[in-house]
Amino acid sequence: GNSVTQMEGPVTLSEEAFLTINCTYTATGYPSLFWYVQYPGEGLQLLLKATKADDKGSNKGFEATYRKETTSFHLEKGSVQVSDSAVYFCALTGGSYIPTFGRGTSLIVHP
Amino acid sequence: NAGVTQTPKFQVLKTGQSMTLQCAQDMNHEYMSWYRQDPGMGLRLIHYSVGAGITDQGEVPNGYNVSRSTTEDFPLRLLSAAPSQTSVYFCASKPGTGGQGTQYFGPGTRLLVL
Repeated sequence: GNSVTQMEGPVTLSEEAFLTINCTYTATGYPSLFWYVQYPGEGLQLLLKATKADDKGSNKGFEATYRKETTSFHLEKGSVQVSDSAVYFCALTGGSYIPTFGRGTSLIVHP
Repeated sequence: NAGVTQTPKFQVLKTGQSMTLQCAQDMNHEYMSWYRQDPGMGLRLIHYSVGAGITDQGEVPNGYNVSRSTTEDFPLRLLSAAPSQTSVYFCASKPGTGGQGTQYFGPGTRLLVL
């Protein structure tokens, strides 16, 4: 079946540091890949997505590239802000229409 | 569009009580689902529906019932609440059953069972 593995947190960074959150997946066929963000006390919301190999999703300074050869979809941002503190979920939909989520990675950004 | 709405926001129950968590969406989405979120466990799928009149079990369905009489509404019923059901519950919807659709989440219901 499908699975998503993402790095455990929390990830703690200083403001303006570079961010990488790793995500790898196992899926049949050609899945669509997503990053969702959950701010404290809120539901998840889409951050970015990519639907085919080599696509790059981007939003709010975050980027992730769909790498089929390494089955990865790592999230990056060049300079994080305190307001980026949240939990980030990697997810995929492939084969089955039921989305598969990673366990989430908490990001804490200090001023 | 209101998106996905959930009521109530907070609820405290005693063991053995029953209640219904409400979920509604105004985007005409076919697919709707319920998750629970517990510390260190990520999101776990409780039940889902691919259209009115069609529901199925997810990963952790025991103790919960659902129905889907309309496209818009997907209530989750706790039949006899237990402390193990203390959690944050999220309803989500997405257009169609294809793989590319984005899921839209409600703001959550925080449930405490004493």
